[in-house]
Amino acid sequence: SQTIHQWPATLVQPVGSPLSLECTVEGTSNPNLYWYRQAAGRGLQLLFYSVGIGQISSEVPQNLSASRPQDRQFILSSKKLLLSDSGFYLCAWNLYTNTEAFFGQGTRLTVV
Amino acid sequence: TQLLEQSPQFLSIQEGENLTVYCNSSSVFSSLQWYRQEPGEGPVLLVTVVTGGEVKKLKRLTFQFGDARKDSSLHITAAQTGDTGLYLCASYTPLVFGKGTRLSVIA
Repeated sequence: SQTIHQWPATLVQPVGSPLSLECTVEGTSNPNLYWYRQAAGRGLQLLFYSVGIGQISSEVPQNLSASRPQDRQFILSSKKLLLSDSGFYLCAWNLYTNTEAFFGQGTRLTVV
Repeated sequence: TQLLEQSPQFLSIQEGENLTVYCNSSSVFSSLQWYRQEPGEGPVLLVTVVTGGEVKKLKRLTFQFGDARKDSSLHITAAQTGDTGLYLCASYTPLVFGKGTRLSVIA
């Protein structure tokens, strides 16, 4: 069966420090991959999505970047974190448009 | 990218009451999904609606897709405390979400 792993679960980082969040999917090939950020109690803001290796689409211009070095690996990065980068980050995958998306357990990022 | 508007933003009701939440867009949906999210977890799919006018039932939850495929509603009958959560509508392409309705059912 397919599973998605996202880590770390919790992260506290100082302003100006770098960030790397990793997400991997098992049990499927060529998934669509997504990164979302969620403010407390609110909806999901799409940050990046990828339909294949090396193919990244950015939805919101900011100091974050994403990479997909392998088929089932999606990485969210920042060179210098801002206070406003704090939030709940979720990785998700699905196989095709209009099909169910499956989410990781999320990373709670606090920038201090 | 399609924009989805959800209402109400917050809803607090007593156990046993009925409620309806809404999802609207100025654009036509190719399909629409409803998810439910618990605190600290990722959203979980409840239903996908595809055809205009479609009605789907999931136990006490009834989902409707507007005839013009620009709006959808979720109706919960006899709400229970276990229904508490954040209800999100979503559509493609890419997969974008509304801001959600936070439902609190009080015993």
